[in-house]
Amino acid sequence: AQKITQTQPGMFVQEKEAVTLDCTYDTSDQSYGLFWYKQPSSGEMIFLIYQGSYDEQNATEGRYSLNFQKARKSANLVISASQLGDSAMYFCAMRESRGSQGNLIFGKGTKLSVKP
Amino acid sequence: GAVVSQHPSRVICKSGTSVKIECRSLDFQATTMFWYRQFPKQSLMLMATSNEGSKATYEQGVEKDKFLINHASLTLSTLTVTSAHPEDSSFYICSARDLNNRGHEETQYFGPGTRLLVL
Repeated sequence: AQKITQTQPGMFVQEKEAVTLDCTYDTSDQSYGLFWYKQPSSGEMIFLIYQGSYDEQNATEGRYSLNFQKARKSANLVISASQLGDSAMYFCAMRESRGSQGNLIFGKGTKLSVKP
Repeated sequence: GAVVSQHPSRVICKSGTSVKIECRSLDFQATTMFWYRQFPKQSLMLMATSNEGSKATYEQGVEKDKFLINHASLTLSTLTVTSAHPEDSSFYICSARDLNNRGHEETQYFGPGTRLLVL
């Protein structure tokens, strides 16, 4: 079974508008971390935002915010005021505490295209 | 943020040769580094976990004799693709955890990746 599910292979958004990228996860751990990374065409993985399972408030980093709904096991990324430079692949990832050495499990990604 | 470098960024080699990829944490110490592989338009898949001073832990289905990992110091891990074949062509990317927990405790910092093409 997939541990990280990103149901949107591709998304389009108009410049300056907000967009939500979906991510659901599956874990039996009580302690875990959720991450979002951006991967432009150059290939580098750019860390965007982190949410710990015990964090009570939704994480925010500039134009990025994470809509964390623990009971639903979802961790959607919200990008406000989209810019052309936001066009890239976006990966949701999870780090579990049990049975791992801290590696991340990635979803299949969502390709975001920002239209001018 | 913390910086991780990879070298080379791109390599083309003939089938049967070996290729070494270096992953360095430039401004922090990393006891653990991870090697991922990414095929075009796909996600990152963990290949192995590299631990300084000990043997690497390989994921199921990854041949340890083909993908040799050495983590000789707290700032350097190397991945050697031995006797490379065209099916080994891929994007290889490493990440490192900050020993001193800079920034977010669990954040992994990724290198820029290495594109390998085996002819």
